[in-house]
Amino acid sequence: GAGVSQSPRYKVTKRGQDVALRCDPISGHVSLYWYRQALGQGPEFLTYFNYEAQQDKSGLPNDRFSAERPEGSISTLTIQRTEQRDSAMYRCASSLIWADTQYFGPGTRLTVL
Amino acid sequence: DAKTTQPPSMDCAEGRAANLPCNHSTISGNEYVYWYRQIHSQGPQYIIHGLKNNETNEMASLIITEDRKSSTLILPHATLRDTAVYYCIVRYLSNTGNQFYFGTGTSLTVIP
Repeated sequence: GAGVSQSPRYKVTKRGQDVALRCDPISGHVSLYWYRQALGQGPEFLTYFNYEAQQDKSGLPNDRFSAERPEGSISTLTIQRTEQRDSAMYRCASSLIWADTQYFGPGTRLTVL
Repeated sequence: DAKTTQPPSMDCAEGRAANLPCNHSTISGNEYVYWYRQIHSQGPQYIIHGLKNNETNEMASLIITEDRKSSTLILPHATLRDTAVYYCIVRYLSNTGNQFYFGTGTSLTVIP
């Protein structure tokens, strides 16, 4: 079946603009995770949902970052007033249940000029 | 949350077994060991996971020491397509989360 999909695959924006990154998990997967990956590093946990409930947002770097999953399926990660340091690959993963193996999407490459 | 230590890079001859070590000396009793790999800029790909016993699937084998403080991922017959960064992860499972803490991984190069 279809895997995790993310859009857009590439996003270039100017400093100070808001961006919204979308994640479409594997159908039927209850849990959804957001990670950020800098060049040469492993993915870094940002936040996590079970259904529509945000269970853990301890990894969000500051209050410019937020995420939602209103209907328990598609999720959006929003970054307000982007800064150059926000440039990274943003990855989404989903798992069937909360304690299960996570499957990753292809990521969105964000570049803030 | 338990941290992992991996060598930054390794080489392996094509057709030979690749043995990738990982230390996780602070692992606790209910924490699983997961292995993922990442080829170029693709998303991390799940390989295998285990708790106490050795595990094998179509991709690899996972050997976990009896004290669980280290493990080895074995790719039995490495091919050029196995060139990737391999991450050993201890999954921290709490009542609110299922968090994976990635390190910097081992960059495996399979040599023809």
